[in-house]
Amino acid sequence: QKEVEQDPGPLSVPEGAIVSLNCTYSNSAFQYFMWYRQYSRKGPELLMYTYSSGNKEDGRFTAQVDKSSKYISLFIRDSQPSDSATYLCAMTFGQGAQKLVFGQGTRLTINP
Amino acid sequence: KAGVTQTPRYLIKTRGQQVTLSCSPISGHRSVSWYQQTPGQGLQFLFEYFSETQRNKGNFPGRFSGRQFSNSRSEMNVSTLELGDSALYLCASSLSGGGGQPQHFGDGTRLSIL
Repeated sequence: QKEVEQDPGPLSVPEGAIVSLNCTYSNSAFQYFMWYRQYSRKGPELLMYTYSSGNKEDGRFTAQVDKSSKYISLFIRDSQPSDSATYLCAMTFGQGAQKLVFGQGTRLTINP
Repeated sequence: KAGVTQTPRYLIKTRGQQVTLSCSPISGHRSVSWYQQTPGQGLQFLFEYFSETQRNKGNFPGRFSGRQFSNSRSEMNVSTLELGDSALYLCASSLSGGGGQPQHFGDGTRLSIL
């Protein structure tokens, strides 16, 4: 069993829809949680970065972390065709830890 | 501010050869991490360097090695290349390391082994 599970999709939704992307994890020691967006032929781009449980909002993006359920989510409101990409969740431990553990990534397509 | 720069962008090698990839971190960042991305295994951590010292290492064979220079630039080397080494190799940098520091990625070097 992988440490971080993420549905690879593909996920296809119409423009303007609310998108929900999720990851579950098994190691309760994870403390920092990230979402990256990766376009074809590009490196991952950091979208959201959160510590511990709770919500964080940035524009059309909201990240949620529920440590009790070992579950994290990314919501995209008013989705745009330019949001079409692969979304990767990642997480790491506390101080001194630089190893990111990634989910498989979800391939998302927003249809105009 | 320039992002993480990786060179070259593409490489084609044959089995048994060796290869060196280069990474220049964001200015002021002192921690550099390397990852391998493949369709089957996704993104996997190779190693991390800080102040010219390897601090963390992933579960890869000894053919994969790296180093960091005093200006924080980093190189990774893969010796005796195998077909399975075909992948996108990504470099990420952060300010000083530690879980509280977000990592920023370059666009990678795509390595193809024939």
